[in-house]
Amino acid sequence: AQSVTQLGSHVSVSEGALVLLRCNYSSSVPPYLFWYVQYPNQGLQLLLKYTSAATLVKGINGFEAEFKKSETSFHLTKPSAHMSDAAEYFCAVSAGGNTPLVFGKGTRLSVIA
Amino acid sequence: GAVVSQHPSRVICKSGTSVKIECRSLDFQATTMFWYRQFPKKSLMLMATSNEGSKATYEQGVEKDKFLINHASLTLSTLTVTSAHPEDSSFYICSADGTGPYEQYFGPGTRLTVT
Repeated sequence: AQSVTQLGSHVSVSEGALVLLRCNYSSSVPPYLFWYVQYPNQGLQLLLKYTSAATLVKGINGFEAEFKKSETSFHLTKPSAHMSDAAEYFCAVSAGGNTPLVFGKGTRLSVIA
Repeated sequence: GAVVSQHPSRVICKSGTSVKIECRSLDFQATTMFWYRQFPKKSLMLMATSNEGSKATYEQGVEKDKFLINHASLTLSTLTVTSAHPEDSSFYICSADGTGPYEQYFGPGTRLTVT
């Protein structure tokens, strides 16, 4: 069984500040991990994914995440927040192959000018 | 890149009617598609796994007679909400398995409102 816990349902940062969104996972098999962003009334956009290659994964829009097996974590970071980063962010885990994703509850990111 | 479309993007229907939502992989073939449901300000919950040419596999608690899924071709899966009720109002999102090492592509979602 797999599960994802996103710490903090709402994170607020100032424009230009560091963004840190936390994600911890549980998986009985080597996990594939994902971060998605969702803007209001829109679908999901893939930010980045970990598929057992490099543990530091770089994604779009300046985001990156580091897979830490010892901590079962896959936290999302961005050095400098932009107003356009305000959205809902979902961490997800899967077992790979033709298996569905299991999503965390999401973290709403607000960026303050 | 791989694109998944959904139609319609929004639909309003009366209680008791049925609504069909289409999910298409536009430039790739998908043997497996997934249907998720998202309640307002909530996460995505998997409803069912749709495999081309076979019956869908439903998650526990999802009524298969209410949410009919058909995956008749490698590029099309449909979700039909039968005898819709206001509690079925939600955002429905599909995804399709791509051909990469691990790729899953999401559609833009369909907002269903049942009045």
